[in-house]
Amino acid sequence: TQLLEQSPQFLSIQEGENLTVYCNSSSVFSSLQWYRQEPGEGPVLLVTVVTGGEVKKLKRLTFQFGDARKDSSLHITAAQPGDTGLYLCAGARYGNKLVFGAGTILRVKS
Amino acid sequence: DAGITQSPRHKVTETGTPVTLRCHQTENHRYMYWYRQDPGHGLRLIHYSYGVKDTDKGEVSDGYSVSRSKTEDFLLTLESATSSQTSVYFCAITLGQGARSYGYTFGSGTRLTVV
Repeated sequence: TQLLEQSPQFLSIQEGENLTVYCNSSSVFSSLQWYRQEPGEGPVLLVTVVTGGEVKKLKRLTFQFGDARKDSSLHITAAQPGDTGLYLCAGARYGNKLVFGAGTILRVKS
Repeated sequence: DAGITQSPRHKVTETGTPVTLRCHQTENHRYMYWYRQDPGHGLRLIHYSYGVKDTDKGEVSDGYSVSRSKTEDFLLTLESATSSQTSVYFCAITLGQGARSYGYTFGSGTRLTVV
C-alpha cells in the first residue's frame, strides 16, 4: 500500500485542455513536493509547499497543499505537448526522507 | 546545477554477481539518498546517508549495502544480484543544508538489468 496515493495513474488529453492530478494520504506531511520526470532522466523538482492551504503557481501550473497537510493537487491549464511526462508527488515526514507516490503519466496530444 | 553524477548509466549483470553503483556530488551536500524506481511503485528509498560513515536503511534495504567514506561519494552495492533487483536506481541529494527537506536533486539514474 502506497503511503501517498496518486490519481489518475494515466492521463491522455488534447492540447489546450485542463487537468488535475491528485495526491492523497492519511498521514500528515511537513512539506510536499511535485516533480516532473522525462524518459531516461531523473525527476526534477517543480515546487515545494509547506503550509496547510498554501497555493503556488508556476506559469500554467497551480499547486495546492490541503489544509490538514495530508493531500495536494496539481492543476495544469491549457496543457501543451511539452507538459508530457511523469508527475510525482513526494511528502516529507521525518527529517529529510521523502516518500513518493506511484506517479501520474501525462500525455498531451497536439 | 548541483553537480550530481551517477555511474554507470547502464549495466547488465548476471545473477549472483556483486555490483557497485556510484554517486558523486561536487557541492559538499551532507544528505545523500539511493532510490529505486519500478513501474507502479514510484520511487522507494533503499539507503540514505547524513554524513561521512553515517548511513541508515530505507524501506527496501534488503540485499543492498552502502558506503560513504568521502562527502562527495555514496556507493550502493548489491552483494549478490538477483533478478528482482532489475530496476532504475537514482541517487539524490537534499537541496540546502538544513535538516528539513525542501526537495531533492536527482542524478540521471542507472538502469540495471540482472539476467
